[in-house]
Amino acid sequence: ETGVTQSPTHLIKTRGQQVTLRCSSQSGHNTVSWYQQALGQGPQFIFQYYREEENGRGNFPPRFSGLQFPNYSSELNVNALELDDSALYLCASSLEAGTTEAFFGQGTRLTVV
Amino acid sequence: KQEVTQIPAALSVPEGENLVLNCSFTDSAIYNLQWFRQDPGKGLTSLLLIQSSQREQTSGRLNASLDKSSGRSTLYIAASQPGDSATYLCAVNGPRRNTPLVFGKGTRLSVIA
Repeated sequence: ETGVTQSPTHLIKTRGQQVTLRCSSQSGHNTVSWYQQALGQGPQFIFQYYREEENGRGNFPPRFSGLQFPNYSSELNVNALELDDSALYLCASSLEAGTTEAFFGQGTRLTVV
Repeated sequence: KQEVTQIPAALSVPEGENLVLNCSFTDSAIYNLQWFRQDPGKGLTSLLLIQSSQREQTSGRLNASLDKSSGRSTLYIAASQPGDSATYLCAVNGPRRNTPLVFGKGTRLSVIA
């Protein structure tokens, strides 16, 4: 079991609402990445934070935003939720961006109705 | 744009059989390749990380190989067990160290007792 913890594990929201997902990275890891995984698909990269700064972003609209805190934990915020945002959201942490093994949390299952 | 393909999409084998899962990627300029296991509705568990300068990595009954020039990796599972049933995902990053992981859609493995 990794030291990456995500909360909540499940969430149901209504279209148009806003949601915040949280990730506690493994101790000593300074890089956090967020991925969206639709059913039957591989995870898709949303964005990455390194030492509290965003240093990479995938093909997601601006209503997907994030933060990384001084303790390297992170938040993913999604505004104006759409039905297609329903997915498993995964957080990964690594010691140094891209060079070392990435460890994933258990994910947050978001359902938008 | 990097693309990762995994073949087959699904595989069913009897317990005890040795098996090979395949992963191919379109851009050989990778930094790392990582194999993951995912149980239904759960997060990703890292199995093996192969750096671009390496040819293979082994962990217990698992052996992963990398042929960067041909854009291919294989995951070999020896003496399969019902507990190995899961989806196996391959991911690469590169060419720079801080680039995100690009995933395949995975191979869904069922090991029948």
